[in-house]
Amino acid sequence: QKEVEQNSGPLSVPEGAIASLNCTYSDRGSQSFFWYRQYSGKSPELIMFIYSNGDKEDGRFTAQLNKASQYVSLLIRDSQPSDSATYLCAVNDDMRFGAGTRLTVKP
Amino acid sequence: DAGVIQSPRHEVTEMGQEVTLRCKPISGHNSLFWYRQTMMRGLELLIYFNNNVPIDDSGMPEDRFSAKMPNASFSTLKIQPSEPRDSAVYFCASSLIGRGEAFFGQGTRLTVV
Repeated sequence: QKEVEQNSGPLSVPEGAIASLNCTYSDRGSQSFFWYRQYSGKSPELIMFIYSNGDKEDGRFTAQLNKASQYVSLLIRDSQPSDSATYLCAVNDDMRFGAGTRLTVKP
Repeated sequence: DAGVIQSPRHEVTEMGQEVTLRCKPISGHNSLFWYRQTMMRGLELLIYFNNNVPIDDSGMPEDRFSAKMPNASFSTLKIQPSEPRDSAVYFCASSLIGRGEAFFGQGTRLTVV
């Protein structure tokens, strides 16, 4: 069974800080990785994807992939209260998700 | 495009009844996913289809659950008979094969009493 693991949190950071979210996966052959954000009572929505080792930046968000160590992370810089949500990691085209990490950004 | 459309948005049913959840994927998408989300178990992949063909149904909890995709624009998830432990939010999502990015519907909140 392919596994995707995330720390369920909750993770709390002050406004303006960097939030770091981590995800590990078991299938060494995995090729594509996705970060979704889900606000309470809403559907998940894609915020970033990454295919290659290294970093990918999009605004305040940076995804980091290390295939050798089988982890992918999401950094949120200058965290805002509006970033408070559950962040879900998904792996590959079969879109298996981790349990999600609940992030709270305190003003 | 209207996005992924699920119906109904809310369903309350009695234990033992049959429940059918419906999903219309985004036009042109050829991959469709059904998920169940609960506080305890998170977002679980139940089954996914590529080009209307079921690829992996290992997440379907038991024989009471079945899913069909008769054509590219419609899929159903059926629970028969329903049980209180089936209460959850059920999401449908669609994507293009090989692109990975999946778009989610609004979900169906199922309550079995």
